Amino acid sequence: GEDVEQSLFLSVREGDSSVINCTYTDSSSTYLYWYKQEPGAGLQLLTYIFSNMDMKQDQRLTVLLNKKDKHLSLRIADTQTGDSAIYFCAEMDHSWGKLQFGAGTQVVVTP
Amino acid sequence: DTAVSQTPKYLVTQMGNDKSIKCEQNLGHDTMYWYKQDSKKFLKIMFSYNNKELIINETVPNRFSPKSPDKAHLNLHINSLELGDSAVYFCASSQDSGAGQPQHFGDGTRLSIL
Repeated sequence: GEDVEQSLFLSVREGDSSVINCTYTDSSSTYLYWYKQEPGAGLQLLTYIFSNMDMKQDQRLTVLLNKKDKHLSLRIADTQTGDSAIYFCAEMDHSWGKLQFGAGTQVVVTP
Repeated sequence: DTAVSQTPKYLVTQMGNDKSIKCEQNLGHDTMYWYKQDSKKFLKIMFSYNNKELIINETVPNRFSPKSPDKAHLNLHINSLELGDSAVYFCASSQDSGAGQPQHFGDGTRLSIL
């Protein structure tokens, strides 16, 4: 199977940390990605992780990968109102760069 | 200096018409893609071209025909538009088709069928 699943909604207070979770089923996934989509806009690549890594940090973003459980998470530190968006998890296997997306998590940041 | 640009941004048309969406990338990438995002925000790949050759062709009605005149351009022509074609269509590109190459997306074309 090639399913990618995410929770649909997350509400977080400004200044707190957000954690968005994702699970995938394809054990041949080599790369996992996080994209951000603001209203009316395209998808912005936030970060990605290779499957032989456990963690990747990039400024306020931390990606954790548990390959055994096929679980990926994105932590946003000090969440700001500009972080309100839909966040998509996606996996890619070996073949031809085909990205499989989750349904997206709507993150709402409240003051 | 837009990296991946699509035109038009909005397209409203009647059922049965034929329409085209254009995409251009100035990143020097070899591979381009079309994705469809439905009303529930679910994204699914439709086609991919690597250096003008079709490499991914998902289960898409043959009313949809992609064309890549050169590796910087990938257009999507849709014949006999149906209500179910209403969606946002995203173009993307990557350095090549290999695993791990991040894909860069355009801002989307919002297609509404009346």
